[in-house]
Amino acid sequence: SAVISQKPSRDICQRGTSLTIQCQVDSQVTMMFWYRQQPGQSLTLIATANQGSEATYESGFVIDKFPISRPNLTFSTLTVSNMSPEDSSIYLCSGGQGGSYEQYFGPGTRLTVT
Amino acid sequence: GENVEQHPSTLSVQEGDSAVIKCTYSDSASNYFPWYKQELGKRPQLIIDIRSNVGEKKDQRIAVTLNKTAKHFSLHITETQPEDSAVYFCAASGAAGNKLTFGGGTRVLVKP
Repeated sequence: SAVISQKPSRDICQRGTSLTIQCQVDSQVTMMFWYRQQPGQSLTLIATANQGSEATYESGFVIDKFPISRPNLTFSTLTVSNMSPEDSSIYLCSGGQGGSYEQYFGPGTRLTVT
Repeated sequence: GENVEQHPSTLSVQEGDSAVIKCTYSDSASNYFPWYKQELGKRPQLIIDIRSNVGEKKDQRIAVTLNKTAKHFSLHITETQPEDSAVYFCAASGAAGNKLTFGGGTRVLVKP
């Protein structure tokens, strides 16, 4: 299974600012995804990070608010832009191999917006 | 799109008893159904999964069953232990490497 790390593990940010979260996988993975998990809630998919092309966003999430980069098969970033307190959440990345169904998660980034 | 519903939202069992969590899905094209365990402050961990060509899968004290006709699948934990206390999520996916749609989660508490 892939080992996934994220940076930072947590941050406290002021409203109106932006934060970029990094996701690193220890092996090449075809698929990478970004999820949001609000306190006590389930996981909601933000977008699929596509290597070499624009990310595919789910309904309710837009590129201007959550720009995503994926320069190669082991790394992706998610930026939370122009933050408001409603963006306070845990953000998780996951990865999976093409042709394999299993997905593994990073440890998450706990974001608090004040 | 896919919709996954999970029940119950909370489950309290005595140590040694069994726990059952049920999920239903809406998209008949879904063919992969994983279960994740998430302990407080930790990442979701894949504990067992099942594909649509299999009706049941077992791994030690945990098992998953799938009823494609009824579009529901269940997680069974036998001989529960305090370390089984966590939030469990079911999910569904339509293809290898495809995105997962999660159920709402079940908070399991195993009382010693």
